[in-house]
Amino acid sequence: GDSVTQMEGPVTLSEEAFLTINCTYTATGYPSLFWYVQYPGEGLQLLLKATKADDKGSNKGFEATYRKETTSFHLEKGSVQVSDSAVYFCARGGGSNYKLTFGKGTLLTVNP
Amino acid sequence: EAGVAQSPRYKIIEKRQSVAFWCNPISGHATLYWYQQILGQGPKLLIQFQNNGVVDDSQLPKDRFSAERLKGVDSTLKIQPAKLEDSAVYLCASSLDPRGVNEQFFGPGTRLTVL
Repeated sequence: GDSVTQMEGPVTLSEEAFLTINCTYTATGYPSLFWYVQYPGEGLQLLLKATKADDKGSNKGFEATYRKETTSFHLEKGSVQVSDSAVYFCARGGGSNYKLTFGKGTLLTVNP
Repeated sequence: EAGVAQSPRYKIIEKRQSVAFWCNPISGHATLYWYQQILGQGPKLLIQFQNNGVVDDSQLPKDRFSAERLKGVDSTLKIQPAKLEDSAVYLCASSLDPRGVNEQFFGPGTRLTVL
């Protein structure tokens, strides 16, 4: 079935460091791909999305490119801030009812 | 614009008891989802409604879980009787469009602890 595999955490970085969180997905059909973020005590929020191959989603300095050849959608940010500390979830949408399938999440902690 | 509302935020019950969660989606959103998020895992879809009809309930443990969406707006999710393994955060989400290309908006969740 559909699945998403993302880099397991936790990830701990210093402020202004470069961030990469890896995500790969099963290639069934033509899924849309998403990154959601969950800040402490809050619900999930959409961070960025891409709907077709080679699309790049971007928001708040984060980027991810839909790579069909490697079935990947890695999240990157050039310079993280303390306020980026959160859990990040990669997800794919697709199938007959377009439901979202999530990865397990990656906890990011950014220290000052 | 008001977001997805859920209540209660926290609930502690003993095993074999019953519990119900409520969700009010964003106004105008036809599609409503209930997810279960066990600690350390990503959300897992339990049931998806399109208006007041069920689109997908393939992962809903129907012997103990039930959900309804009367009038195609609010929804309730019930567990009866609860088991220890039901301890999780229950998330409600809604979207304008059932297709995965559009954003799902999530509520804050209900954290259930079964003792």
